[in-house]
Amino acid sequence: NAGVMQNPRHLVRRRGQEARLRCSPMKGHSHVYWYRQLPEEGLKFMVYLQKENIIDESGMPKERFSAEFPKEGPSILRIQQVVRGDSAAYFCASSPRGGEGGYTFGSGTRLTVV
Amino acid sequence: SQQGEEDPQALSIQEGENATMNCSYKTSINNLQWYRQNSGRGLVHLILIRSNEREKHSGRLRVTLDTSKKSSSLLITASRAADTASYFCATDVTGGGNKLTFGTGTQLKVEL
Repeated sequence: NAGVMQNPRHLVRRRGQEARLRCSPMKGHSHVYWYRQLPEEGLKFMVYLQKENIIDESGMPKERFSAEFPKEGPSILRIQQVVRGDSAAYFCASSPRGGEGGYTFGSGTRLTVV
Repeated sequence: SQQGEEDPQALSIQEGENATMNCSYKTSINNLQWYRQNSGRGLVHLILIRSNEREKHSGRLRVTLDTSKKSSSLLITASRAADTASYFCATDVTGGGNKLTFGTGTQLKVEL
């Protein structure tokens, strides 16, 4: 059981480029959550997905950010036209049934926009 | 205060001492969870306490929950240098759609 796998661990993008962050949930987990952590702060919820469905995207910025969790393959968090303020650690968590069993977090992707 | 606000913000103790961190929240919850984060690393789930539970133990960890005061505490007994990390409480808010709301964390430093 490899846990929640996120890649890449570190990502550097120039302003205006696109960033794609991947998350493979734990085996058997069909619920995926994305969180963002700014330096010296706690995690902030972004989006909650189940296979092929976005359940709650109330924490997603209205523009440039999108997420998907296709039937096959990892969940993707996509940030278009990145700006310096997007620099943060992005964490993915998965759960077997909507959080009742607890959440398992990945090690995160640290995005730096230069 | 924010949902899931920890107190103190930073705590420095000697190895062997106990460390107590507090968390306050504002709304009704399904459960409250504590996580540890080492510098630059991911989060490690420590313990989950449900809204109908008052106390829970796991090894050197003891968590209490007082729903009337909307507060929780995490006690680490006989601390070790390896316990140095940031500790976050996170609430699974009733009707919140299973997402977690995190506090800003307590930075614990355990010195030899």
